[in-house]
Amino acid sequence: KNQVEQSPQSLIILEGKNCTLQCNYTVSPFSNLRWYKQDTGRGPVSLTIMTFSENTKSNGRYTATLDADTKQSSLHITASQLSDSASYICVVSAMGNYQLIWGAGTKLIIKP
Amino acid sequence: GAGVSQSPSNKVTEKGKDVELRCDPISGHTALYWYRQSLGQGLEFLIYFQGNSAPDKSGLPSDRFSAERTGGSVSTLTIQRTQQEDSAVYLCASSLVGGGVYEQYFGPGTRLTVT
Repeated sequence: KNQVEQSPQSLIILEGKNCTLQCNYTVSPFSNLRWYKQDTGRGPVSLTIMTFSENTKSNGRYTATLDADTKQSSLHITASQLSDSASYICVVSAMGNYQLIWGAGTKLIIKP
Repeated sequence: GAGVSQSPSNKVTEKGKDVELRCDPISGHTALYWYRQSLGQGLEFLIYFQGNSAPDKSGLPSDRFSAERTGGSVSTLTIQRTQQEDSAVYLCASSLVGGGVYEQYFGPGTRLTVT
């Protein structure tokens, strides 16, 4: 069964600190993996998208990694800011299928 | 240009009533998706429209749910005889073309509360 699991479920860190969020998936055949940021009361916004051949991609202070062999991805946030408080969702797409498999998200809270 | 818009932003309805949720996709996007997000849960796929093709309704949880997309643009999700378990945020997304590699752009969602 195609599944995406994320950890931790929630995380609280101090402003300025770094953090890493994890994503494990069992989607096959794999097409691509995305990380979305969802602010409270808003729709998700894409941060990065990675295909099979890519193992790292950055978007400002966000760096995503992908290990297609172990079917794991991580999202690293550097020098966190209060505006980083949001849910971060890992989403995986299977080849030939337009449907996306969504993780439940990690709720990140940045405290001043 | 304008992003995806949804209306209403909030809807409170009594159990048993019908509700209509509206989505205006980005102009020129041929693919449109509806999702449901319950509190603390991941997004649940409901229905997918691609151009003039027959929609994929495989995610609709019951026959009380239906959706239309008129003129390849605006879409309406209708829930008949609402139940308390229908309470959730309903998100609409559009993309240039359907398919896993294409970016999906989301609207702000409609928060539905069934009392």
